[in-house]
Amino acid sequence: EVQLVESGGGLIQPGESLRLSCVASGFTVTSTYMSWVRQAPGKGLEWVSVIDSGGSTFYADSVKGRFTTSRDNSKNILYLQMNSLRAEDTAVYYCARGSPGNRYGSRFDYWGQGTLITVSS
Amino acid sequence: QSVLTQPPSASGTPGQRVTMSCSGSSSNIGSNPVNWYQQLPGTAPKLLICNTDQRPSGVPDRFSGSKSGTSASLAISGLQSEDEADYYCAAWDDSLKGAVFGGGTKLTVL
Repeated sequence: EVQLVESGGGLIQPGESLRLSCVASGFTVTSTYMSWVRQAPGKGLEWVSVIDSGGSTFYADSVKGRFTTSRDNSKNILYLQMNSLRAEDTAVYYCARGSPGNRYGSRFDYWGQGTLITVSS
Repeated sequence: QSVLTQPPSASGTPGQRVTMSCSGSSSNIGSNPVNWYQQLPGTAPKLLICNTDQRPSGVPDRFSGSKSGTSASLAISGLQSEDEADYYCAAWDDSLKGAVFGGGTKLTVL
């Protein structure tokens, strides 16, 4: 059974850093593309980043240069390193599995439960 | 401001058919498949329609998707109270090199 479990959320001050983890089970994170998607309170979904099976990454302009997506293949974990956090980064962060078969896309067949990041002083 | 444009709300009565639109451009909907997600309150999104018009296993055939040019649509027939949720369209954008979502449509079953 495919499962994604995020962790690492919490309250953090502007300018600080935080790393989110997404533990995957039931498949290997290198077998398909994986994305982070966030949702600010009361708002819609916003795509954040993708890492493809080969390890290439792309980012939304809103986080480019501040966030880094990586993975630990041996532990089957996806990470999101977030630096220079801002109030507008406050959101629930989901990791999502891209449906196997494409290098990347917007077809996410499994989602984690999400972890809340609150950036506030 | 979302790259894909969706109406903020839609409504219908039980048994009715409702449709919701998603408008994009040549770099996203015009050249890539569209996927639709259903998000019930307090839960993670669920893949509802994939590859523009396909239903993942377990999704009732009351849900259907289509695309024409740079616009896509989601239709729900035989509306049920449990369909009350937020619906998001998504597509890969070749220019932005990223996935883009619509702002979401909140469906109310009257």
